[in-house]
Amino acid sequence: AQSVAQPEDQVNVAEGNPLTVKCTYSVSGNPYLFWYVQYPNRGLQFLLKYITGDNLVKGSYGFEAEFNKSQTSFHLKKPSALVSDSALYFCAVRDYNTNAGKSTFGDGTTLTVKP
Amino acid sequence: DVKVTQSSRYLVKRTGEKVFLECVQDMDHENMFWYRQDPGLGLRLIYFSYDVKMKEKGDIPEGYSVSREKKERFSLILESASTNQTSMYLCASTMTSGPGETQYFGPGTRLLVL
Repeated sequence: AQSVAQPEDQVNVAEGNPLTVKCTYSVSGNPYLFWYVQYPNRGLQFLLKYITGDNLVKGSYGFEAEFNKSQTSFHLKKPSALVSDSALYFCAVRDYNTNAGKSTFGDGTTLTVKP
Repeated sequence: DVKVTQSSRYLVKRTGEKVFLECVQDMDHENMFWYRQDPGLGLRLIYFSYDVKMKEKGDIPEGYSVSREKKERFSLILESASTNQTSMYLCASTMTSGPGETQYFGPGTRLLVL
């Protein structure tokens, strides 16, 4: 079984400050981990993913995420937040032998960046 | 760029009506999916299809059916709409069935059942 948790419903940061959106996961095998962003009244857009290799993954719009196997975490980060980063963020996980359809998504974290 | 389109952005239907939601992708992707999104519940998989005329139930298939007659088109059908099916419906696709595949999402259909 696979599961993912986003422990914070809401994250508030000031523009220019670093941001972190947290994600922890549970899988029986090796994880494939994804971050997606959803702007108001839009579908989800892919940000980045971890499959294998370097633990630090860089993605779109200056975001990055660090895979930590011992802590089973995949936190999303950005060194300097922009007001335009305000959106709903979803973490998703798949086990290595899982069909692409069988992603498990977290409940989402609303990021608000204030000027 | 992959484009996934959904037939309607907003729909209002009455209880008991049959509702069709259509999704089209333009990149010859094998897999297509239907999710519903509700506040605090994330995305929940309704059905997915890994080939034409093939389908598999997701986590919450009750009250829904699907149809995939052509590779690029995946339809979600609510046989008899109920108020608890008021939700945001998202379609997605992936090129293949590999676990590392990125999902590409449509803009969503917000359905209100009265």
